Amino acid sequence: DQQVKQNSPSLSVQEGRISILNCDYTNSMFDYFLWYKKYPAEGPTFLISISSIKDKNEDGRFTVFLNKSAKHLSLHIVPSQPGDSAVYFCAASSGGSTLGRLYFGRGTQLTVWP
Amino acid sequence: KAGVTQTPRYLIKTRGQQVTLSCSPISGHRSVSWYQQTPGQGLQFLFEYFSETQRNKGNFPGRFSGRQFSNSRSEMNVSTLELGDSALYLCASSLGNGVPGYTFGSGTRLTVV
Repeated sequence: DQQVKQNSPSLSVQEGRISILNCDYTNSMFDYFLWYKKYPAEGPTFLISISSIKDKNEDGRFTVFLNKSAKHLSLHIVPSQPGDSAVYFCAASSGGSTLGRLYFGRGTQLTVWP
Repeated sequence: KAGVTQTPRYLIKTRGQQVTLSCSPISGHRSVSWYQQTPGQGLQFLFEYFSETQRNKGNFPGRFSGRQFSNSRSEMNVSTLELGDSALYLCASSLGNGVPGYTFGSGTRLTVV
């Protein structure tokens, strides 16, 4: 039972444009959400996170938006760069401040072309 | 500062054998979690250890076990290997007190033949 879903397996964006990656979840107990980026043959790298008490968190080119009523979050990358090409995973936790177990989506392959 | 170190990077085992994977977390990190990544199931949680105690456990059979030592290093063991255990096994560490984001190692690629 996939509690975190990334329905787009791939996304292709031109360099300089905005990349929007989407994620939906079903468990209303999730209170912390994270985005990870993964290159081949490497482990996932933490990008940005958001607590359920917020609806937006920004870090440089990366912004995560959370819509709790829709159980939906999105990651915006502006401007997109070729080095951003990777698989992006959305993850959620109901562990509060201890995080605990993370539930991952299946990932979205982002390709940024020149 | 050294990252999360997993050894070995690659491993080939025969069905029925057992295997032990090792993970050294970032210095000062007390929480270590293990995940299995396969093309069919994505990233699946195995277990989490904090201060030598298993704090969370995923839905894997008892053939999968782990432990954490007093220096926070962790090992996971898989007994009676099956072909379906072929996967990338990822270890992640964190302070364990809610500081955002786990730091993942590069993983151990296990192939069961």
